[in-house]
Amino acid sequence: NAGVTQTPKFRILKIGQSMTLQCTQDMNHNYMYWYRQDPGMGLKLIYYSVGAGITDKGEVPNGYNVSRSTTEDFPLRLELAAPSQTSVYFCASSTTSEGDEQYFGPGTRLTVT
Amino acid sequence: GQNIDQPTEMTATEGAIVQINCTYQTSGFNGLFWYQQHAGEAPTFLSYNVLDGLEEKGRFSSFLSRSKGYSYLLLKELQMKDSASYLCAVRDSNYQLIWGAGTKLIIKP
Repeated sequence: NAGVTQTPKFRILKIGQSMTLQCTQDMNHNYMYWYRQDPGMGLKLIYYSVGAGITDKGEVPNGYNVSRSTTEDFPLRLELAAPSQTSVYFCASSTTSEGDEQYFGPGTRLTVT
Repeated sequence: GQNIDQPTEMTATEGAIVQINCTYQTSGFNGLFWYQQHAGEAPTFLSYNVLDGLEEKGRFSSFLSRSKGYSYLLLKELQMKDSASYLCAVRDSNYQLIWGAGTKLIIKP
């Protein structure tokens, strides 16, 4: 199993550009998450999904959109990129069990200039 | 508001023992997690506590006191590879994880 994969690993965007961060998991997990991690800060939840066709906002959803058409894929869309979106983005997945751990992808380092 | 506090940085010596504390104030409690994150890498799961007491897993142990809103991660027989950030996270009443900023642990030979 590859686990959780993310592409791209690095990206530089100009202000106002758009892009999609890809996330795929091959563990048949129902739950998937998108986080951002800024230096010296905890992970912040952007969006999450409890299954195909179901998504919900997390703590910091503004400026982002998601979709979940399949169990495996959970892309994150950035529209009109802003410098405040410069961050490391992590995708994660988990089962629905009580003490389930989240499995993280390797992350995408995004810089908006 | 919801808040999780951890020390920003700690230093310890190879072979020694270190305790990393975490205090939390969250809307509801449905378990506490510890993750390890090496620089430039993704977090990886270390431990989960939902009941009071100590959970031991090899060189790592995690303790929880729900009445005090307190947990600690205990690392024994420290190795250089244990140099990393240690993240405390609490699952709140909405079953979402609230994350601390992490504790950077520096191991010296």
